[in-house]
Amino acid sequence: DAGVTQSPTHLIKTRGQHVTLRCSPISGHKSVSWYQQVLGQGPQFIFQYYEKEERGRGNFPDRFSARQFPNYSSELNVNALLLGDSALYLCASSLGDRSYGYTFGSGTRLTVV
Amino acid sequence: DAKTTQPTSMDCAEGRAANLPCNHSTISGNEYVYWYRQIHSQGPQYIIHGLKNNETNEMASLIITEDRKSSTLILPHATLRDTAVYYCSSSSGSARQLTFGSGTQLTVLP
Repeated sequence: DAGVTQSPTHLIKTRGQHVTLRCSPISGHKSVSWYQQVLGQGPQFIFQYYEKEERGRGNFPDRFSARQFPNYSSELNVNALLLGDSALYLCASSLGDRSYGYTFGSGTRLTVV
Repeated sequence: DAKTTQPTSMDCAEGRAANLPCNHSTISGNEYVYWYRQIHSQGPQYIIHGLKNNETNEMASLIITEDRKSSTLILPHATLRDTAVYYCSSSSGSARQLTFGSGTQLTVLP
């Protein structure tokens, strides 16, 4: 079975641009969470979606948004990119709402120049 | 959300047990403790989790103190492939999101 897949694996954007990151959860998993990991730090929670509804949001500005589709895949959008948005963006999926196991993808490495 | 504190780095000899401590003194009664590891900036890999009882699986054992203010992850026979950053985290909030600390860089030495 495929694990959590994220695309693209790497990308470079310019300050002020917009970016869309994509995540496909493990088959059967209905919940998707997004985390940002800055170099040298642990991942920080951005969003969680379950059954297309936002169930949790971390301390991130409104430039960050996300959505979940009927097939449970998800997109993370970041507008007006700043240099500080450079990070590894991780997607994690889990079976259900507030479930106990999270499987992470390999992430998307975003560099803002 | 509970804050977790871990040593920045640890070394362990290959074949010996690696004991990684974590302090989570502000954890609340319904927050689980999770351990993940991360190799070369890949996605974190789940190791084990627990609430208040000790837990064991094929990868590791988790010892949680009775007051739940700290825990220890034990890798019984460390191998070179266990070299990674190990994160202790807690789950909390409406989404049971994970709150990660800064992690411990474990280096297994031959």
